[in-house]
Amino acid sequence: GDSVTQMEGPVTLSEEAFLTINCTYTATGYPSLFWYVQYPGEGLQLLLKATKADDKGSNKGFEATYRKETTSFHLEKGSVQVSDSAVYFCALRENTGNQFYFGTGTSLTVIP
Amino acid sequence: GAVVSQHPSRVICKSGTSVKIECRSLDFQATTMFWYRQFPKQSLMLMATSNEGSKATYEQGVEKDKFLINHASLTLSTLTVTSAHPEDSSFYICSAGRPNYGYTFGSGTRLTVV
Repeated sequence: GDSVTQMEGPVTLSEEAFLTINCTYTATGYPSLFWYVQYPGEGLQLLLKATKADDKGSNKGFEATYRKETTSFHLEKGSVQVSDSAVYFCALRENTGNQFYFGTGTSLTVIP
Repeated sequence: GAVVSQHPSRVICKSGTSVKIECRSLDFQATTMFWYRQFPKQSLMLMATSNEGSKATYEQGVEKDKFLINHASLTLSTLTVTSAHPEDSSFYICSAGRPNYGYTFGSGTRLTVV
C-alpha cells in the first residue's frame, strides 16, 4: 500500500542555517506529493506540492523536487528563520483517489 | 481561497461523556470530508470518509459506533466521540473539498478526556 516515510525530529537549527527534511514514499500509482506545515496552535497549511516527476514545488523559500527514481520529495530551505519553527508533514495523494497519506511529521525549532 | 472552519479548537471533557466536533466549509461546497486523527509523535491517520447525504466509510479498526460522523449538508460534517475515554485523547482534524478542486484542512481539535 501507499506510505510516506519522513525523517524523525525534532530538528533544532540556528537562524540562517540550511534545512533539509527527508521524505520518501511508496506508491502503487503516480501520486502527487505535498508538504504541509503546522504552525503552533494552527491547522495544517499547504506549503508546496508537485504533481509529476521532476516537478519542483516552491513557496516561502522552501523547495522540494519530485524524484521518481529515488521516490523522494525532500524539503529544503537555504536560510531558515525563527518564524519557520513548526511541524512539517510530507504527504502523498494518488491521482486516482482523494485520500492523503501522511508522514509522521518533523518538528523544527529555529533559534536566534 | 477555500476556508474550512473546525470547532472547537480545544475541548476537555470528562470520561464517559460525548463530544461533538464540527467541520464547516465556509466559502465552497464540500462533497467529501475526511476525518483524521493524530496520536503524539505519529502520523495523521485517516479515520473515515464522509460524502454528503450518505453514510461515512470508516477505515479498518475505527469503531463506527464510537466515532459518529454526520455529513448532512454540503458545508457541514460533524464527528461525535461517544462515551469518551482517556485513550480517545488526541488531535482530530478534518479535510473538506471536492474531486478535482482540491482539499483544505481545518485547524484541528485537541481533545483531552479526563
